[in-house]
Amino acid sequence: DVKVTQSSRYLVKRTGEKVFLECVQDMDHENMFWYRQDPGLGLRLIYFSYDVKMKEKGDIPEGYSVSREKKERFSLILESASTNQTSMYLCASTPGQTTGELFFGEGSRLTVL
Amino acid sequence: AQTVTQSQPEMSVQEAETVTLSCTYDTSESNYYLFWYKQPPSRQMILVIRQEAYKQQNATENRFSVNFQKAAKSFSLKISDSQLGDTAMYFCALFHGGATNKLIFGTGTLLAVQP
Repeated sequence: DVKVTQSSRYLVKRTGEKVFLECVQDMDHENMFWYRQDPGLGLRLIYFSYDVKMKEKGDIPEGYSVSREKKERFSLILESASTNQTSMYLCASTPGQTTGELFFGEGSRLTVL
Repeated sequence: AQTVTQSQPEMSVQEAETVTLSCTYDTSESNYYLFWYKQPPSRQMILVIRQEAYKQQNATENRFSVNFQKAAKSFSLKISDSQLGDTAMYFCALFHGGATNKLIFGTGTLLAVQP
């Protein structure tokens, strides 16, 4: 079974702190994604990566950056956390030749105070 | 622009009954895939069912089936013999493939199965 692991299920940070959310997948998938999930808004794509060191902006990249130094790991970085970044963050992966099925991690619930 | 609309924020069904979740979408592409994903409380999102747009036959996975109306751009999910474990948030999603490999999600429907 594909396993996508997010390093932290729950985080509480203060405004202005730098936040790292880590995601690791064990199925050698080329594509990795970071989504943000908010009530009434569904899932919105922040960034995605289709190869090591490659990244593409999604629909809401402002305030976020990403890093993909190794194929299995995709990190989301909040350079200076703000209260409006309080949310659930979901990581997902999929093979290069994909029909769209995403494999998700369990999510990281971030609260910024 | 491609969009996915789920007009039912919340639904409730009695155990063993049948429930239908609605989804409409908009796309100018002729080749695409549609999905229903399930997110149980505090658990990871998983794929429930997938439909290829070029297939006329509606997809079925055990108690889950879809009603795919391509001309109407409608993609509803029917859950038969509802079980307590079906309680979850359900998301409809649209995928075109190609260079972006991005899914477009609806806003979700929270389904509660009552004992």
